[in-house]
Amino acid sequence: QQQVKQSPQSLIVQKGGISIINCAYENTAFDYFPWYQQFPGKGPALLIAIRPDVSEKKEGRFTISFNKSAKQFSLHIMDSQPGDSATYFCAAADNAGNMLTFGGGTRLMVKP
Amino acid sequence: EPEVTQTPSHQVTQMGQEVILRCVPISNHLYFYWYRQILGQKVEFLVSFYNNEISEKSEIFDDQFSVERPDGSNFTLKIRSTKLEDSAMYFCASIPEGGYGYTFGSGTRLTVV
Repeated sequence: QQQVKQSPQSLIVQKGGISIINCAYENTAFDYFPWYQQFPGKGPALLIAIRPDVSEKKEGRFTISFNKSAKQFSLHIMDSQPGDSATYFCAAADNAGNMLTFGGGTRLMVKP
Repeated sequence: EPEVTQTPSHQVTQMGQEVILRCVPISNHLYFYWYRQILGQKVEFLVSFYNNEISEKSEIFDDQFSVERPDGSNFTLKIRSTKLEDSAMYFCASIPEGGYGYTFGSGTRLTVV
């Protein structure tokens, strides 16, 4: 019940295209859904996060869409750039311990 | 921007040896965490620490692991007798009181040979 499932595992997008990464969760106690960006040799860096009281959150080129009834959330990267090439992790946490449960990660490559 | 600092960046140790991984969380943060990431796999929770005690730990965090905040600034993870399967990136993270915004350090790559 703690799992967060992420897809796809890898994604290749042309520069200027839209990158879409999806996550699904099972635990209805989760109430915080962040996305992290990780470059090789670095720690995960918070990109954007959403709480279940809203269905969408946008920050610059990054948008999270959240579907509470389906227990799914997704990251959209508009106008993808080669500098966006990284591994992206979705995660979820509940109120209890704030422990993050991570998805399996998506390796994004944006081709120039 | 405040950072979580981890040392060393890379540690190689022989199987059976003890290692201590060090972290300096952001100064006004109150919750501290260790996560690990085996190469190419997802990030996994190890332990959370608040008010000088462990608040939650995963199945991975067995008796070989311990954490300590010895001096009010450092936060350490000790592995008593390392195994080959302990080879991974270990990330320290912290969050402020009432917050969800994790800040992760850059990690320590532990290689057990």
